[in-house]
Amino acid sequence: DAKTTQPPSMDCAEGRAANLPCNHSTISGNEYVYWYRQIHSQGPQYIIHGLKNNETNEMASLIITEDRKSSTLILPHATLRDTAVYYCIVRGGEYGNKLVFGAGTILRVKS
Amino acid sequence: NAGVTQTPKFQVLKTGQSMTLQCAQDMNHEYMSWYRQDPGMGLRLIHYSVGAGITDQGEVPNGYNVSRSTTEDFPLRLLSAAPSQTSVYFCASSWTGNSPLHFGNGTRLTVT
Repeated sequence: DAKTTQPPSMDCAEGRAANLPCNHSTISGNEYVYWYRQIHSQGPQYIIHGLKNNETNEMASLIITEDRKSSTLILPHATLRDTAVYYCIVRGGEYGNKLVFGAGTILRVKS
Repeated sequence: NAGVTQTPKFQVLKTGQSMTLQCAQDMNHEYMSWYRQDPGMGLRLIHYSVGAGITDQGEVPNGYNVSRSTTEDFPLRLLSAAPSQTSVYFCASSWTGNSPLHFGNGTRLTVT
């Protein structure tokens, strides 16, 4: 799987948009970008995924650059409950079954 | 619809003991996997399966065995527990290798 790079931590004010970046410069054409989050010690929760087009669901938006080497997860109106570790993962193709998580970004939403 | 169910939630073992961590899903997912998470670290893949009868190793397979006799179940076996296996273990499943993963709530294992 392509390796991803994320900042170790970020802060965001409550009610503001949280923009979490991810670099995946070695991504190949058939690999998807996935985002998960983990709150406290619960099991990770799926947020969103995309291939090359921007995606939006009820939780977040995913913006993928045209060259697909980086992406940004956007939480439009962050709340205190969005404080979590956010993981950006590239998955798919020949190695799609060997999904590997990195260290993620700790997002702290502050009031 | 229960999703991914892991049992037990907590377990304490002595060094050298064996045990099986259970994982079951009721979504008819083909892909299942086991991860371990140590304090302050991300998840590391132990073993995974792309369907009944098929398993393969992940990043950290040593000390663990798996089998996949049915689509629903994917147990993880520790044959001789070691303190280094103290961790939180998560099971996950998905339709295919390219589908979103559904995670269980974890098993917290302590080996003394």
